[in-house]
Amino acid sequence: GENVEQHPSTLSVQEGDSAVIKCTYSDSASNYFPWYKQELGKGPQLIIDIRSNVGEKKDQRIAVTLNKTAKHFSLHITETQPEDSAVYFCAAGGGADGLTFGKGTHLIIQP
Amino acid sequence: DAGVIQSPRHEVTEMGQEVTLRCKPISGHNSLFWYRQTMMRGLELLIYFNNNVPIDDSGMPEDRFSAKMPNASFSTLKIQPSEPRDSAVYFCASMLTGGRTEAFFGQGTRLTVV
Repeated sequence: GENVEQHPSTLSVQEGDSAVIKCTYSDSASNYFPWYKQELGKGPQLIIDIRSNVGEKKDQRIAVTLNKTAKHFSLHITETQPEDSAVYFCAAGGGADGLTFGKGTHLIIQP
Repeated sequence: DAGVIQSPRHEVTEMGQEVTLRCKPISGHNSLFWYRQTMMRGLELLIYFNNNVPIDDSGMPEDRFSAKMPNASFSTLKIQPSEPRDSAVYFCASMLTGGRTEAFFGQGTRLTVV
C-alpha cells in the first residue's frame, strides 16, 4: 500500500517569513495529493490539492509543488500570519482508494 | 449541506463497554472513510465504503472493531469490548468519487476509555 512520510513534525517561523513542509510517497499509482489544515478541536480541512499531471499550483499565499519522478511534494506558505498556526497534513491517493496521510506538521507562527 | 456529521463529539466509557460512533456523510457522496487519530500514529485509515459496500478494512486494528453502512446516509463504527488503548479521536470523511476527489471530514469523536 501507500506510505507517506512528512517532515518536519514541528516547524516554528517568524510571522511574515515563509514555511515549507515536505512529503514523500511510495506508490507511483497515486495521482492526487491534497493538503489539509487542522485547527484545534476540528476535523482536517482541505486547503489546496494537486494532481499528477501538474507540477505546481498556487492559491494566494499557499502553493504546492509535485515531483512525480522523485515522488515528493511540498507545501509552501509565504508571508505567514498568526492564523496559519495549525497542524498540516499531506496525503496521497486517488480514485476511491482513500487517502494515506502523513503524520502531520505542527506549524507555529511566532509574532 | 451541514457537512459530515459525527456523534457523539465526546465519549467517555469504561474498559470493556461497547462503544458506537456514528456518521452521516454529505448527501450525494458515495464513499465514506473512518480514520483514527492519535499523537503516536497520526491519521490512520481504518475502513472505507464505496456505495455502502466495505472495500478495504485492512486498517481495522482488531476483531473488536466493526463498521457498518446500512444505507447511503449513515454509518457506524463499533468497538466491543473497548480498551484504554482505543482512546483517540475518530474521524469520518466522505467524498464523491469519479469527480473532484476532495474528502470532507467531520468534527470527530473524541473517545476516552478509562
